[in-house]
Amino acid sequence: KQEVTQIPAALSVPEGENLVLNCSFTDSAIYNLQWFRQDPGKGLTSLLLIQSSQREQTSGRLNASLDKSSGRSTLYIAASQPGDSATYLCAVRPDNYGQNFVFGPGTRLSVLP
Amino acid sequence: ETGVTQTPRHLVMGMTNKKSLKCEQHLGHNAMYWYKQSAKKPLELMFVYSLEERVENNSVPSRFSPECPNSSHLFLHLHTLQPEDSALYLCASSQDLTGGRETQYFGPGTRLLVL
Repeated sequence: KQEVTQIPAALSVPEGENLVLNCSFTDSAIYNLQWFRQDPGKGLTSLLLIQSSQREQTSGRLNASLDKSSGRSTLYIAASQPGDSATYLCAVRPDNYGQNFVFGPGTRLSVLP
Repeated sequence: ETGVTQTPRHLVMGMTNKKSLKCEQHLGHNAMYWYKQSAKKPLELMFVYSLEERVENNSVPSRFSPECPNSSHLFLHLHTLQPEDSALYLCASSQDLTGGRETQYFGPGTRLLVL
């Protein structure tokens, strides 16, 4: 059974810092991996989707990497801003059709002005 | 604006009540999902619909009953719920289930409290 963990559970940084969020998954047989952002009391917003054949994806100040063989992904946020404060969720889709995304518990990020 | 709307945003119900959650997507997608997000657990997939047909029921108790009358609407009918069912219920949609076009778009959720 696929399990997804995220470290750290919470992170507080001053504005302007570069930071890395970590995601680990137990079964490397995945179809893709996706990073989401969730603001308090709201739904999820997709940030980056990495297919299993890809190593990384970039969008603006965000860069996500995928090392499928070791079961790891990282989300790098450059020059963090207070508006980046949110919970960041990692989700993997097993490559067994019929199973949808398995989510991690999330990392709660606070960027202090 | 995510293109996926959910109503109501907040709901308080007793254990003997019957209520329904509604989700509507304006994105022309073919797949829709219900998720449950509890305070101390990761997001859990409940149901998946593709082209109005249920393709996955993730061992959800029968007190939760989904309905997908067309590809734009998804309902979750609730009856005789338990306090532990209190959670944020999220609806999502995606273009399809396969083919790499799988970014899921989420609604804002319904915050449910069962007394």
